[in-house]
Amino acid sequence: GAGVSQSPRYKVAKRGQDVALRCDPISGHVSLFWYQQALGQGPEFLTYFQNEAQLDKSGLPSDRFFAERPEGSVSTLKIQRTQQEDSAVYLCASSFQGNHGYTFGSGTRLTVV
Amino acid sequence: LAKTTQPISMDSYEGQEVNITCSHNNIATNDYITWYQQFPSQGPRFIIQGYKTKVTNEVASLFIPADRKSSTLSLPRVSLSDTAVYYCLVGDGTGANNLFFGTGTRLTVIP
Repeated sequence: GAGVSQSPRYKVAKRGQDVALRCDPISGHVSLFWYQQALGQGPEFLTYFQNEAQLDKSGLPSDRFFAERPEGSVSTLKIQRTQQEDSAVYLCASSFQGNHGYTFGSGTRLTVV
Repeated sequence: LAKTTQPISMDSYEGQEVNITCSHNNIATNDYITWYQQFPSQGPRFIIQGYKTKVTNEVASLFIPADRKSSTLSLPRVSLSDTAVYYCLVGDGTGANNLFFGTGTRLTVIP
């Protein structure tokens, strides 16, 4: 596709519910990042993939957060037993290896009620 | 991981040139400096990237002094549509180090 696509655009979850957020990167992009952005704050790093390998997951806030990219293209960020503090915009970005500019999706706004 | 410091906010009138300076004292030899722009309800958008001296594209210019411990994003003749948050990032672009955004600079363009 022409850009990074994220779905759903908005998600409302009841506390304790599991959610799955999808990212379709630009075709051929090797690197993929997930970021969490709270209201009024800058994006904060969650995890990084190079192809299907998850090379850095140091930013995942707890073991309730899990990300995968099994075929090196589409990625899914899963949050189990959602809590109110998980409410944020979740951004995905991708880049062709060696390209220093990353393309971001519009994000998924998660609201936990 | 090189972190950055930027002013929290700036105001400017339409048609003026805006310069936003970013400090990155711990920049590494292999690090590039990249600026992103973010509008509400959208993901950050790449503006410009540089390593040293000056880079110019159709949107902005980036000035980097010899010691590379700071950089200045210059937006010529801003318009109301340039109102956004601007982030300065440093990194080697390989993904081996993640992109650290900080809080950015909120630019408000006044008519």
